[in-house]
Amino acid sequence: QVQLVESGGGVVQPGRSLRVSCAASGFTFNSYPMHWVRQAPGKGLEWVSVISYDGSDKLYADSVKGRFTISRDISKNTLYLQMNSLRVEDTAVYYCARENYVSLDPWGQGTLVTVSS
Amino acid sequence: SYDLTQPPSVSVSAGQTANITCSGDKLGDKFVSWYQQKPGQSPFLVIYQDTKRPSEIPERFSGSNSGNTATLTISGTQAMDEADYYCQAWDSTYVFGTGTKVTVL
Repeated sequence: QVQLVESGGGVVQPGRSLRVSCAASGFTFNSYPMHWVRQAPGKGLEWVSVISYDGSDKLYADSVKGRFTISRDISKNTLYLQMNSLRVEDTAVYYCARENYVSLDPWGQGTLVTVSS
Repeated sequence: SYDLTQPPSVSVSAGQTANITCSGDKLGDKFVSWYQQKPGQSPFLVIYQDTKRPSEIPERFSGSNSGNTATLTISGTQAMDEADYYCQAWDSTYVFGTGTKVTVL
């Protein structure tokens, strides 16, 4: 079945970098745009970034533009989010999700990124 | 930036109808999706393209979108429907609503 599994979260100091990954299976990975969405503890959902099916187009939320980079490796069926210059306010569970009909389905289980000194 | 506003909370008696609204400028011109999120779980798609239900979603979930307001309706609400619900639309970027906590009494 369609499955998305995130990994790579952890505790990192402010100003440092971290890369989270999302392994996809059960569907043709290079046929769908893919997204990252985050959720700070006790807060709502915040869209972060999207990458087109072939990786040629990328969009970012203003809050992460210039600091985060989305990418995908079709040979590994894996989506990435490179996060640089991390801030305390980037602390959140990061979810990857597949886009279908302008909606997100399914979602992964999420990976927690904690930015703290 | 584009904002989507939802009521923070909605309470409904079991078996009754819950209406969750999502407001945004000319929202009726955009496709709206709705997600359910239970504590400790990932969000789950319940409505897409305003009115369509994924095959695994019960018929008691329905959606509408017109003017500046989209609505998620849960008919015959059950205890298992207690969750947070988020609307989502596209307006040059992807936007989520502020979220609504549905409590089933």
